[in-house]
Amino acid sequence: DAGITQSPRHKVTETGTPVTLRCHQTENHRYMYWYRQDPGHGLRLIHYSYGVKDTDKGEVSDGYSVSRSKTEDFLLTLESATSSQTSVYFCAISEGIGNYGYTFGSGTRLTVV
Amino acid sequence: TQLLEQSPQFLSIQEGENLTVYCNSSSVFSSLQWYRQEPGEGPVLLVTVVTGGEVKKLKRLTFQFGDARKDSSLHITAAQPGDTGLYLCLTSGTYKYIFGTGTRLKVLA
Repeated sequence: DAGITQSPRHKVTETGTPVTLRCHQTENHRYMYWYRQDPGHGLRLIHYSYGVKDTDKGEVSDGYSVSRSKTEDFLLTLESATSSQTSVYFCAISEGIGNYGYTFGSGTRLTVV
Repeated sequence: TQLLEQSPQFLSIQEGENLTVYCNSSSVFSSLQWYRQEPGEGPVLLVTVVTGGEVKKLKRLTFQFGDARKDSSLHITAAQPGDTGLYLCLTSGTYKYIFGTGTRLKVLA
């Protein structure tokens, strides 16, 4: 039982199309996060959520939107995919802030052609 | 903006050797976490250190938090191929956690 699952695991899409990535948790954690991981840049925060319908921007939020209508689901949408959004996307959950650790999903590898 | 720098960036060693990787900041950490990420997977939490001077051990891994809480180290004794991966440090404060740049370790059999 992974506790956090991401779907899809791999996706290839064309430039200009919208794309939605899904993160699902079974831990009932309040906090959920979307990161992207790129060579030379490490893990960068895109958006995060601190409750149902409560979201905020991270450091690289341009071109992305999120929604959280239920505790267990956090969706990341690329409104019009660009090649610069080719990346590996990770969802993470946390029970709290401060000293609480993250639990990460296995990632979604997105290629925009 | 607090930055976390990790060193070395890359490390390739033989099985059985010891190694140390570092995480440094220009600011004081509130707390620090270490993660290991294997290829094709998300990072996995190894440890959280909170108190300056704190030392935690996890089997062959020893984590140390600097007295001034501006640096941390991870020491691996008798490295094994299973230790191969990307080691990341993370500092937390409010909602926005900050990851270090990472150390990519390869342990050769």
